Amino acid sequence: EVQLLESGGALVQPGGSLRLSCAASGFVFSDYAMSWVRQAPGKGLEWVSAINSDSTSTFYADSVKGRFTISRDNSKTTVYLQMNSLRVEDTAVYHCARQLGYCSTGSCYFDFWGQGALVTVSS
Amino acid sequence: EIVLTQSPGTLSLSPGEGATLSCRASQSVSSSSLAWYQQKPGQAPRLLIYGASRRATGIPDRFSGSGSGTDFTLTIGRLEPEDFAVYYCQQYGSSPPINFGQGTRLEIK
Repeated sequence: EVQLLESGGALVQPGGSLRLSCAASGFVFSDYAMSWVRQAPGKGLEWVSAINSDSTSTFYADSVKGRFTISRDNSKTTVYLQMNSLRVEDTAVYHCARQLGYCSTGSCYFDFWGQGALVTVSS
Repeated sequence: EIVLTQSPGTLSLSPGEGATLSCRASQSVSSSSLAWYQQKPGQAPRLLIYGASRRATGIPDRFSGSGSGTDFTLTIGRLEPEDFAVYYCQQYGSSPPINFGQGTRLEIK
């Protein structure tokens, strides 16, 4: 059974930093690209970032480019999202998702998702 | 950038009835590259349909997808109590950004 378990969510002040983790199990992690998708309270889904299976390619939404960094450790079957210079508008539940296709060309969708980690940016 | 507009915003139906949810794209979606997701409160989204009409693994056959070009539909044959949720469409046939529709809330009447 595919499982994705996010951790690291917290309350952080504007301008602060946070690192989210997503531990994967139930599939060959190193075979799949992974993404982060966020959902602001009461709002819809917003894709944030993607990383390919061997970490040679990463991709970001314009809203987080230059502030967020995605990475992965295939030996630990874990994907990370380092978030710096956080803004109030980054407040959301952050889901990691197993990706099919290539987000760099816009041709990706997501077949398994985690329940998410809540990030609250507030003073 | 392709913008996806879902309608209606909220759909109120009773268990046993059929549901029709719409997703309209601002430009043609190539290769029918459209997915549908279901999300219940506090839960992870679940992939229902990809390629506009292909059911994901384990999805009951009361869920069906159709459409091409700019107009897509998710149909739920006979609503079960567990089907009341929010449904999102997502296109993956064009250049970034990767966009989702704003969602349709399916609620019990």
